[in-house]
Amino acid sequence: LAKTTQPISMDSYEGQEVNITCSHNNIATNDYITWYQQFPSQGPRFIIQGYKTKVTNEVASLFIPADRKSSTLSLPRVSLSDTAVYYCLVGDAGSGNTGKLIFGQGTTLQVKP
Amino acid sequence: ETGVTQTPRHLVMGMTNKKSLKCEQHLGHNAMYWYKQSAKKPLELMFVYSLEERVENNSVPSRFSPECPNSSHLFLHLHTLQPEDSALYLCASSHWTSGRGDEQFFGPGTRLTVL
Repeated sequence: LAKTTQPISMDSYEGQEVNITCSHNNIATNDYITWYQQFPSQGPRFIIQGYKTKVTNEVASLFIPADRKSSTLSLPRVSLSDTAVYYCLVGDAGSGNTGKLIFGQGTTLQVKP
Repeated sequence: ETGVTQTPRHLVMGMTNKKSLKCEQHLGHNAMYWYKQSAKKPLELMFVYSLEERVENNSVPSRFSPECPNSSHLFLHLHTLQPEDSALYLCASSHWTSGRGDEQFFGPGTRLTVL
């Protein structure tokens, strides 16, 4: 499974756009890129998933360049409730996949008033 | 009740006790997972069950024993644990066959303290 590298922590202020970049230089052809959010003492929650270019949903956007060696999670206009740990995961979703998710250290986002 | 539920939410046990953690999913999924999250560490995958068969055992000590009687229920039986086993234990479920690095839905976790 491809290894991912993210910043350990980031600070932002309410109302700002936050971009968290993840490096995954060894991403394989079959790999998808998935982001999860985790609040303290809770299980992670799926945010967004993509394969290439741009994906947008009601909470975030995911930008993936053509070489797919990195990805950027974009959170528009963050609020205090967006303070959490954000995990970038890369995994093979092929027919033999055991659904194995490898979580790294994640990025701790602190949103300040 | 919807989603993934876990009981108990908090558990304190001695090293000689035997206890079980329970997970139940109401999402119609056919794969279930146990994860361990120690303080300031990433989540570690422990076990994966697909269609009630164990398909992954991530070198977990035998003092942790999983059981999946059906696709909706998952147990983690604990015996003779060590203090370093104190952690948040998370259960998750997913739909196995979607082939998209299946989105996993996590429960709230059981906070385990071993004295």
